[in-house]
Amino acid sequence: DTAVSQTPKYLVTQMGNDKSIKCEQNLGHDTMYWYKQDSKKFLKIMFSYNNKELIINETVPNRFSPKSPDKAHLNLHINSLELGDSAVYFCASSQDRRAVPGELFFGEGSRLTVL
Amino acid sequence: AQSVTQPDIHITVSEGASLELRCNYSYGATPYLFWYVQSPGQGLQLLLKYFSGDTLVQGIKGFEAEFKRSQSSFNLRKPSVHWSDAAEYFCAARFGNEKLTFGTGTRLTIIP
Repeated sequence: DTAVSQTPKYLVTQMGNDKSIKCEQNLGHDTMYWYKQDSKKFLKIMFSYNNKELIINETVPNRFSPKSPDKAHLNLHINSLELGDSAVYFCASSQDRRAVPGELFFGEGSRLTVL
Repeated sequence: AQSVTQPDIHITVSEGASLELRCNYSYGATPYLFWYVQSPGQGLQLLLKYFSGDTLVQGIKGFEAEFKRSQSSFNLRKPSVHWSDAAEYFCAARFGNEKLTFGTGTRLTIIP
């Protein structure tokens, strides 16, 4: 069983479209994250949710909207896609942000290509 | 400002040789420190972590790292690399807030 799973793995779309990436974790963790990895492999946190509550919201365009229907799921919706949104988006989870700080479990990533 | 620096973008090592990947941080105290590995097309996997105590920590896959407060460093080492160790390696730190800050990564190439 995959601990942190993301769908889709690959996404190719046109500029201006709206797309979503879904993430689910079966580890029973309380905290989930979205990270963006650019073409130079630089990883930057975008959002973090703890028990469905938004706790980290970095300087991300408001075209990006995370949604956490329950603590096992964290989805990312992107409106009006731009070329610069092309990247690999990683979902991650951690058991408790205080108990084991920073020990994240990552999904395999969703590669988004905007044409 | 709080930051994590990996000075080496790309390192090439012969199979069987020893390896050291460098990581430095900038912070007024000791952060929580981590090394992650990313194999091609995969997510990141935790190799090891340092919170406090013994400054030499052992991780998975035969890796170890040493925390040196005087140098603000947390270098990753392996005595003998295998071809399967070829990957991208990320040092990361948590500076007391909620966020995990990653370095820019070091790509490791193994030659026969």
